[in-house]
Amino acid sequence: SYVLTQPPSVSVAPGRTASITCGGENIGIGGVHWYQQKPGQAPVQVIYYTSDRPSGIPERFSGSKSGYTATLTISRVEDGDEADYYCQVWDSVVDHRLFGGGTRLTVL
Amino acid sequence: QVRLVESGGGVVQPGTSLRLSCEASGFTFAISGMHWVRQAPGKGLEWVAFISYEEGKNSYADSVRGRFDISRDISKNTLYLQMNSLTVEDAAVYYCARDREGGSLDYWGQGTLVTLSA
Repeated sequence: SYVLTQPPSVSVAPGRTASITCGGENIGIGGVHWYQQKPGQAPVQVIYYTSDRPSGIPERFSGSKSGYTATLTISRVEDGDEADYYCQVWDSVVDHRLFGGGTRLTVL
Repeated sequence: QVRLVESGGGVVQPGTSLRLSCEASGFTFAISGMHWVRQAPGKGLEWVAFISYEEGKNSYADSVRGRFDISRDISKNTLYLQMNSLTVEDAAVYYCARDREGGSLDYWGQGTLVTLSA
């Protein structure tokens, strides 16, 4: 089975832009989904179908994909954005879901 | 609003069994796919199992296939995960989540903790 690769950590100053990448050979086929998880809480979906935002998610969160890499971009980063972020894809052949290893976003 | 509430976690011995439940409300459970996802202490998310609203279409991660069984009771709006032959590697917080068309998981419960102890 394939793997989704994320950087373990990303640091950004408040008000700046954070970019979190997710790479894998299956990225180019279907949609990529992103989740935010704060300490002690359940994950929350922040992006689905690569670039769509669920209701209630700020416009500061956006997603994109190029080739075998997807990117979650958080503009005008706030202290409250500090969390772990996970990408996820659907392997429709075997009907499995696969998560990346997660990226810890630290707001400096 | 969509609400998912897990229960059934606890401390169990390796080799034993445990059944987790997830009570759903705020949406039409009968026509929704559902997932179980787990997270070992200090680790990332691991997808465990999926049950489709179409009968007979279940899928499992390789790490649990043959030991875990996902099922649902439409009359009770409840999702289950029967876990057998538990090992220390199964210790985790277990989340249930609703499937969104296209393969993502749009709503998650708060999780239930499974601890393995001899």
